[in-house]
Amino acid sequence: LAKTTQPISMDSYEGQEVNITCSHNNIATNDYITWYQQFPSQGPRFIIQGYKTKVTNEVASLFIPADRKSSTLSLPRVSLSDTAVYYCLVAATNNAGNMLTFGGGTRLMVKP
Amino acid sequence: DTGVSQNPRHKITKRGQNVTFRCDPISEHNRLYWYRQTLGQGPEFLTYFQNEAQLEKSRLLSDRFSAERPKGSFSTLEIQRTEQGDSAMYLCASSAPGTGRETEAFFGQGTRLTVV
Repeated sequence: LAKTTQPISMDSYEGQEVNITCSHNNIATNDYITWYQQFPSQGPRFIIQGYKTKVTNEVASLFIPADRKSSTLSLPRVSLSDTAVYYCLVAATNNAGNMLTFGGGTRLMVKP
Repeated sequence: DTGVSQNPRHKITKRGQNVTFRCDPISEHNRLYWYRQTLGQGPEFLTYFQNEAQLEKSRLLSDRFSAERPKGSFSTLEIQRTEQGDSAMYLCASSAPGTGRETEAFFGQGTRLTVV
């Protein structure tokens, strides 16, 4: 299983762009990179999934370099409500099944 | 509401008692996951199912933990002879393979277990 490494915590201010980088040096060919968000007392919530290059949705962008050994979640113009823990996962999407394994995550604190 | 449902939301039990939690996944999802989460930590993977088949159970924390999904729909997680260290939030999630979004799992609100 590919292990991920991400910063334990980050601080930002409202209106700023936040970039959280995750390292996954042992990512396998059929692994996708996925990010989740978790608020206190709630289950994690899917944010975005990507395989290579760049993926963008209404919430965030995900940048993946060609070697796929790292990825960066970009949150544009954060607000106080973006304060949460963000998890980076790598997992396969084949029919043999996949385990979604979470690490410690990055605690993002958005300040006014 | 057609999201993932977990019952009960809270459970207080005495040490040594058995507890069982239930998870009802989103109806068309055939993958179901169980996690444990303690304060300040990320969700810890326990086990998962594809339909009624349990694909991975080596991560269950001890032989006191077991999970079933007999008809490929709802699932139960049982902890026998509970210990104080079992106090945690137990999360269930489901996903739909074959859609290209297998890593998009939908989580329930969790069952918070307190062992006294």
